[in-house]
Amino acid sequence: RKEVEQDPGPFNVPEGATVAFNCTYSNSASQSFFWYRQDCRKEPKLLMSVYSSGNEDGRFTAQLNRASQYISLLIRDSKLSDSATYLCVVNTDKLIFGTGTRLQVFP
Amino acid sequence: DTGVSQNPRHKITKRGQNVTFRCDPISEHNRLYWYRQTLGQGPEFLTYFQNEAQLEKSRLLSDRFSAERPKGSFSTLEIQRTEQGDSAMYLCASSLGGAPRPQHFGDGTRLSIL
Repeated sequence: RKEVEQDPGPFNVPEGATVAFNCTYSNSASQSFFWYRQDCRKEPKLLMSVYSSGNEDGRFTAQLNRASQYISLLIRDSKLSDSATYLCVVNTDKLIFGTGTRLQVFP
Repeated sequence: DTGVSQNPRHKITKRGQNVTFRCDPISEHNRLYWYRQTLGQGPEFLTYFQNEAQLEKSRLLSDRFSAERPKGSFSTLEIQRTEQGDSAMYLCASSLGGAPRPQHFGDGTRLSIL
């Protein structure tokens, strides 16, 4: 079993749609949690940290449930520029990545 | 540009050759990490340094791989006797301290073994 598991994707959604990604992790000692975004053939870039209280950054909302070892990312009002792979990441001093979920937003 | 810098961006070499990659972290960052990413997968941890000390190595890091960070600033990753399975994107990241701080990635070095 992988340490971080994500929705397989791909997700193909129209502009303006709301899309949710889910992720589970197995290491209960994980210290911090992130969503990274990766464009094709580019490096991962930090999208946002994820906190137990939930946090929001514009159209993006992240949630963490430590008891269930579950992380989510909600994107509202999808834009064409949101098309990318979204990587769920847990930090145990080193980053453990999920395989990523591909999002394609179409006009 | 004060981000993480990696070079070369691309490296094409024949099987059996040795290759070396360089990473320059963000200047005040004491932690430096190496990851490897193959197509369709997320990055996988290889090794990391705190200052000049190499603190952890993944089982993915066979004895053909060696990493150094001699002065606690830039790092090199060397692969000896390359194999076709070494073809991947090699990513370097740095952070100020360990968890919970996020890591910031360089552009990566794409290695292709012929």
